[in-house]
Amino acid sequence: GAGVSQSPRYKVAKRGQDVALRCDPISGHVSLFWYQQALGQGPEFLTYFQNEAQLDKSGLPSDRFFAERPEGSVSTLKIQRTQQEDSAVYLCASSLITGSPLHFGDGTRLSIL
Amino acid sequence: AQSVTQPDIHITVSEGASLELRCNYSYGATPYLFWYVQSPGQGLQLLLKYFSGDTLVQGIKGFEAEFKRSQSSFNLRKPSVHWSDAAEYFCAVAYNQGGKLIFGQGTELSVKP
Repeated sequence: GAGVSQSPRYKVAKRGQDVALRCDPISGHVSLFWYQQALGQGPEFLTYFQNEAQLDKSGLPSDRFFAERPEGSVSTLKIQRTQQEDSAVYLCASSLITGSPLHFGDGTRLSIL
Repeated sequence: AQSVTQPDIHITVSEGASLELRCNYSYGATPYLFWYVQSPGQGLQLLLKYFSGDTLVQGIKGFEAEFKRSQSSFNLRKPSVHWSDAAEYFCAVAYNQGGKLIFGQGTELSVKP
């Protein structure tokens, strides 16, 4: 596709369930970022990949959050034992090379009941 | 800690009027500076960026921003606002050209006829 694709667009889960959010970056893009955007707030950094290597995961809020990019393209953000405070929009962004402009997906809106 | 402040949570301007959105950052060195726009349910779109050189940068959609080191500011301006400019605007900084972005809280822009 032409842009960064995220799926699902909307996800509703019960507290305690595990969820997986997918990001398809633009083909050939090396860098991939995940951000969390709470309602009424700016996005907050979660983690960063360069190809398949996770170079920075300092923003992951707890060990319930896990991200992977095994083949250096598609990435999955997994949240285990979801809590209500995990409700947010999760944004994925990719760039061709380090330092080139970021392209953001439309995000996945996660609601935890 | 590095931070970005957008003092105005919500601004309303009349169509055709000029616009200035404020952004202040806290960082020890000259950061890389960005402005993004987000329409409801959409990802973020890059309006403009400053890395070095001329402190007045031009962006897309008729926007410009000026970096003022003495004031630690990077305010966004547009001489004549269009109704389609109504959206959320985020200022962001990065430590380096490919680094993670630190976003401000955002300014919601409403445009009245």
